[in-house]
Amino acid sequence: EAGVAQSPRYKIIEKRQSVAFWCNPISGHATLYWYQQILGQGPKLLIQFQNNGVVDDSQLPKDRFSAERLKGVDSTLKIQPAKLEDSAVYLCASSLGSGRTYEQYFGPGTRLTVT
Amino acid sequence: SQQGEEDPQALSIQEGENATMNCSYKTSINNLQWYRQNSGRGLVHLILIRSNEREKHSGRLRVTLDTSKKSSSLLITASRAADTASYFCATDLYTGTASKLTFGTGTRLQVTL
Repeated sequence: EAGVAQSPRYKIIEKRQSVAFWCNPISGHATLYWYQQILGQGPKLLIQFQNNGVVDDSQLPKDRFSAERLKGVDSTLKIQPAKLEDSAVYLCASSLGSGRTYEQYFGPGTRLTVT
Repeated sequence: SQQGEEDPQALSIQEGENATMNCSYKTSINNLQWYRQNSGRGLVHLILIRSNEREKHSGRLRVTLDTSKKSSSLLITASRAADTASYFCATDLYTGTASKLTFGTGTRLQVTL
C-alpha cells in the first residue's frame, strides 16, 4: 500500500514570499490533516478535512494560511505571505475516517525555511 | 496548544535496557496514542489505548493509562539501537463531528550500543 505522499520535501523562501505544499493521501482515506511541527515540539493540527469539507480549522492562521482539498483527494496548503516563524516541518496525514479509533498515517513532511 | 507533556524530555540508555516515558494531559480523552518519529521513517503510529483500558501490549511495547491521574506511560523493553527516536503521546478527543489529535512535546530516546 502506497503511503501519504508530500511535495516538495524541502523549501527555502524569503519572508513575505508565498509557498504551497501538496499532499496525496492514502487511497480511500476520507480524512486528511495538515500539521505544523516546529523544531523541538510535537505536531500541531492546522486543518482537518472530511472528504472535501473542513471539519476543524481552529488553529489555522487564516490571515496567511489557506488550504483546500479538491474532489476529496489531494490537498494543498498555502502560506502567503510567509513569516520567519512559519519555519517548520509541515506534515500531511490521512485516516480512513475521523471516528474515535482511526489511526493516522503521516507523510514524510515538507521542511520549510523562511529567511 | 500542546495537551500532553512528556517526561523525561530526553533519555539515554544502553541497548538491552528498558526505557520508560511518561505523558500527562489536561482534559478528558477518548483514547491516547503513542507515535515514534525518526529521520528515516517519519512519524509512525505505535499503539492506541482507549479511555476504558488500563494496559495494552504490542510486541516490546507496553502502555498504561490512568485516567484518574490523566497520565500514561510507554515502556519499551529490551531496547535496540533502532529504537532511537522521538516518542510522542497524542490525546484523542472526539468532538461530535471529528476526532482531534493533540500531541505532546515528545521524549528523545537515544539507545547506544
